[in-house]
Amino acid sequence: GENVEQHPSTLSVQEGDSAVIKCTYSDSASNYFPWYKQELGKGPQLIIDIRSNVGEKKDQRIAVTLNKTAKHFSLHITETQPEDSAVYFCAASIWGRGSTLGRLYFGRGTQLTVWP
Amino acid sequence: DTEVTQTPKHLVMGMTNKKSLKCEQHMGHRAMYWYKQKAKKPPELMFVYSYEKLSINESVPSRFSPECPNSSLLNLHLHALQPEDSALYLCASSQVTTGKLTGELFFGEGSRLTVL
Repeated sequence: GENVEQHPSTLSVQEGDSAVIKCTYSDSASNYFPWYKQELGKGPQLIIDIRSNVGEKKDQRIAVTLNKTAKHFSLHITETQPEDSAVYFCAASIWGRGSTLGRLYFGRGTQLTVWP
Repeated sequence: DTEVTQTPKHLVMGMTNKKSLKCEQHMGHRAMYWYKQKAKKPPELMFVYSYEKLSINESVPSRFSPECPNSSLLNLHLHALQPEDSALYLCASSQVTTGKLTGELFFGEGSRLTVL
């Protein structure tokens, strides 16, 4: 099955700096890559996702890049704020008609701390 | 705000008790999921329902019994649990469009279960 590696496991940045979290995946058939933010005591919240037919996607301060050849994708957060502090999970999956339903393969998570 | 509602938020039960976790969504999603999350770990898939039919059971012990009474509701019945079953139980849903899953999973806030 799919194997997703995520680095780093912890990341501390100063407010206003950028943060980058990187993930690699093993199954070249994976075609959907979401990122989730999980605050303490809450459920994961989808913050951005990218599909394999796109190389980059941006939403305000958050961007995700995908390199299908190298099988890696990254989350970039610019102008970080203390409220960005949370655990971030990357995931990989195969979606589409006849595919395995709901099989999101998660990375181990990155604890991001933004210091004011 | 999450549109997947889970109750109760917290549950404490003994090993001989029978209890249920409930999940509700009104986004018209036809796929619903149960995930289990231990502290500092990513969510682990337990069950997937598609069009109210169980489509994936990730070899979950029979002391966990899922039920999908209609397209908006998902239950998880608990019986004779073990202390190691203590975890955050997350419900999620996703859309199905013309036979294709869109991929985006929306999670609820979870039910934190403690088994004594």
